[in-house]
Amino acid sequence: GDSVTQMEGPVTLSEEAFLTINCTYTATGYPSLFWYVQYPGEGLQLLLKATKADDKGSNKGFEATYRKETTSFHLEKGSVQVSDSAVYFCVSIPGSNYKLTFGKGTLLTVNP
Amino acid sequence: DAGVIQSPRHEVTEMGQEVTLRCKPISGHDYLFWYRQTMMRGLELLIYFNNNVPIDDSGMPEDRFSAKMPNASFSTLKIQPSEPRDSAVYFCASKSGPDTQYFGPGTRLTVL
Repeated sequence: GDSVTQMEGPVTLSEEAFLTINCTYTATGYPSLFWYVQYPGEGLQLLLKATKADDKGSNKGFEATYRKETTSFHLEKGSVQVSDSAVYFCVSIPGSNYKLTFGKGTLLTVNP
Repeated sequence: DAGVIQSPRHEVTEMGQEVTLRCKPISGHDYLFWYRQTMMRGLELLIYFNNNVPIDDSGMPEDRFSAKMPNASFSTLKIQPSEPRDSAVYFCASKSGPDTQYFGPGTRLTVL
């Protein structure tokens, strides 16, 4: 079945450091890919998305590129802030199926 | 729009008691999803509705769990009788057609 694998945390960085959170997927078709973010005590919020190969999703300084050849959708940010501290989930939606497949989440802590 | 509304935000109950979680989706959304989040299992889809009709309840753990959607603006998730292993954060999400899912803030359930 479809699955999403993301790097396990926790990840601890200093403010202004470069962030990469790796995510790879397996799917029978061509899924849409998403990164969701969950701030402490809150629900999940969509951070960015890409619906086809080579698409780049971006938002709030975060970027991720849909790489079909490596089945990856790595999340990056050039300079993290303390306010970026949260849990990040890589998510796929295969084709027309409405069921999200979640990665296990990566806890990011950014220290001042 | 107020977003997806869930109540209560926190619920503490004793084993064997009935628990009812409530969700009001975003107005105009025709899909509603119930998820459970635990440290051990991450995010799991329990059930989802389309136009108030349950489409896939394969994630509902057992007969103690039931969900209803009597109209387009309200859904409940009921656990009867509750057990300590049901302790988790329960999220409701809604969407319109193929659009992105929007999550509520969650209900943190503790069963003693």
